[in-house]
Amino acid sequence: AQTIHQWPVAEIKAVGSPLSLGCTIKGKSSPNLYWYWQATGGTLQQLFYSITVGQVESVVQLNLSASRPKDDQFILSTEKLLLSHSGFYLCAWSLGQGATGQLYFGEGSKLTVL
Amino acid sequence: QQKVQQSPESLSVPEGGMASLNCTSSDRNFQYFWWYRQHSGEGPKALMSIFSDGDKKEGRFTAHLNKASLHVSLHIRDSQPSDSALYFCAAPNSGGSNAKLTFGKGTKLSVKS
Repeated sequence: AQTIHQWPVAEIKAVGSPLSLGCTIKGKSSPNLYWYWQATGGTLQQLFYSITVGQVESVVQLNLSASRPKDDQFILSTEKLLLSHSGFYLCAWSLGQGATGQLYFGEGSKLTVL
Repeated sequence: QQKVQQSPESLSVPEGGMASLNCTSSDRNFQYFWWYRQHSGEGPKALMSIFSDGDKKEGRFTAHLNKASLHVSLHIRDSQPSDSALYFCAAPNSGGSNAKLTFGKGTKLSVKS
């Protein structure tokens, strides 16, 4: 069975500090990977997607970056946090072939920027 | 303008009642829809997809799609307190390798016991 694990579960960080959030998918080779952001109780905004190791496409510019160093790992980071980065970050995977696939989300990482 | 609009924003139904959620798209590129459910503090989970006109039933959940009006609804019969959650309607982009889903703003469902 496929599993998706996100870390950390929650972070409280200061404005201007760096951030790294991670996601690991087990049991599925070469998945498409995604990062989504969600304001508290709000809609889901796709940030990045990756279809293969080393390749990441940005969907929106939010002073964040993403990397896929391994087939099963997706990292979201920034060197300088803004207040607006607060929210819920969700990693997701899908099978290939684009839009027809179901998205499988992780349990999320809650970020509070003070 | 939001390409996927959901209504109502929030909904309260008694336990055992019927909950009806609505979603309309303003983009004719969206030819089918997903419903996702998100319990508080968790990641969303897919409930069902629908791409043919008419009804699709899965257990207590029935989705209805009208392609001409780009309207999709989700009906939950015999609602349970565990159904209390945020429900999203989502439509995928029409092609490419990015399974980009455009999500609506969600409907918050509360089932009162």
